[in-house]
Amino acid sequence: DAGVTQSPTHLIKTRGQQVTLRCSPKSGHDTVSWYQQALGQGPQFIFQYYEEEERQRGNFPDRFSGHQFPNYSSELNVNALLLGDSALYLCASSPGVREQFFGPGTRLTVL
Amino acid sequence: KQEVTQIPAALSVPEGENLVLNCSFTDSAIYNLQWFRQDPGKGLTSLLLIQSSQREQTSGRLNASLDKSSGRSTLYIAASQPGDSATYLCAVRPAYNNNDMRFGAGTRLTVKP
Repeated sequence: DAGVTQSPTHLIKTRGQQVTLRCSPKSGHDTVSWYQQALGQGPQFIFQYYEEEERQRGNFPDRFSGHQFPNYSSELNVNALLLGDSALYLCASSPGVREQFFGPGTRLTVL
Repeated sequence: KQEVTQIPAALSVPEGENLVLNCSFTDSAIYNLQWFRQDPGKGLTSLLLIQSSQREQTSGRLNASLDKSSGRSTLYIAASQPGDSATYLCAVRPAYNNNDMRFGAGTRLTVKP
């Protein structure tokens, strides 16, 4: 079992650009959650996907959107990037609301 | 709104010491509480998960306790080793909205040889 995988590992963008981050959940997991972790802070919940639908959303603007595919993998899209979007983006998968398993993250730097 | 606080923010101990990390939360209506370890620039590794009906969980040198009524959890690490150096995060899943996990800012632990 490969566990939760994320791509790319690192990404550098400029303000105003758009970015897509990808996540493959752990085998057997149907729920994917995305988190943003700023330097020195705990992760903050962005949204969760289940059965290809956004089930719940945290306090993030509409510039943050996502998608879940039939194979349960997921994408996080961020439009009109701001300097403040620089962070580690973490994906977590779980079988429903049970224990979440996290991927290694994608480090996004916005210049 | 659930708020999670971890104290201290940083801790440095000599190798071999037993230590306690603290986590407090403002709303006792929780579904579960999870402790994670995070190495610099890396993802989160789950250490222990405590369901709301449980009081503690143990794994090797780690023991986590939960007191819902006081809104507190502790992570006890026995016989600390340099390899335990990392940031430790606690996260609470609310009972009424259990798709959302609320994290503390973490305790950065350094174990000196």
